[in-house]
Amino acid sequence: AQRVTQPEKLLSVFKGAPVELKCNYSYSGSPELFWYVQYSRQRLQLLLRHISRESIKGFTADLNKGETSFHLKKPFAQEEDSAMYYCALLNTGGFKTIFGAGTRLFVKA
Amino acid sequence: NAGVTQTPKFRVLKTGQSMTLLCAQDMNHEYMYWYRQDPGMGLRLIHYSVGEGTTAKGEVPDGYNVSRLKKQNFLLGLESAAPSQTSVYFCASSSGDATNEKLFFGSGTQLSVL
Repeated sequence: AQRVTQPEKLLSVFKGAPVELKCNYSYSGSPELFWYVQYSRQRLQLLLRHISRESIKGFTADLNKGETSFHLKKPFAQEEDSAMYYCALLNTGGFKTIFGAGTRLFVKA
Repeated sequence: NAGVTQTPKFRVLKTGQSMTLLCAQDMNHEYMYWYRQDPGMGLRLIHYSVGEGTTAKGEVPDGYNVSRLKKQNFLLGLESAAPSQTSVYFCASSSGDATNEKLFFGSGTQLSVL
């Protein structure tokens, strides 16, 4: 069965500190993984997807198949990064996205 | 460009009442989804549709029904609401293009069942 695990419900860091939001997955096929973000009073939106290998708003995420992880990282957190972050996995058929429980990031001034 | 529109935004029901949540998208997307968002549990898939006239069960389908009579609309029905269905409901859609797959979300419906 496919599953996405985000072990931290809340992560609090100081502005300028590095941040890492953890995501582990279980999936029998070749996974396609995403990070979605929900800022206060905004809609849930895509932050990045692993297949694009891109950096968005300073965030990067590397797929580690050996550790079945897709951690989200940013070297220097900003206050505007405070939001709810969801790791998500798209199934092989490409039509069903499963989400983790989410991690709320709070960046303190 | 409206994207994904959900109505209503808020609703309070009494146990046993019924209601329908409407989702409309104007992006000509094939796939549409209903999720519920609960604290500590993230987003859980209720039902989804891969095209007009088709629907399928997700992770937590019990107590809900859906219909996709038109490509742009995806309706979520609660026949007999229960307090356990108090949640925030999100509709989403996607093109189904595997090379550029991403979900577009509505703004959510906050439902309270008393």
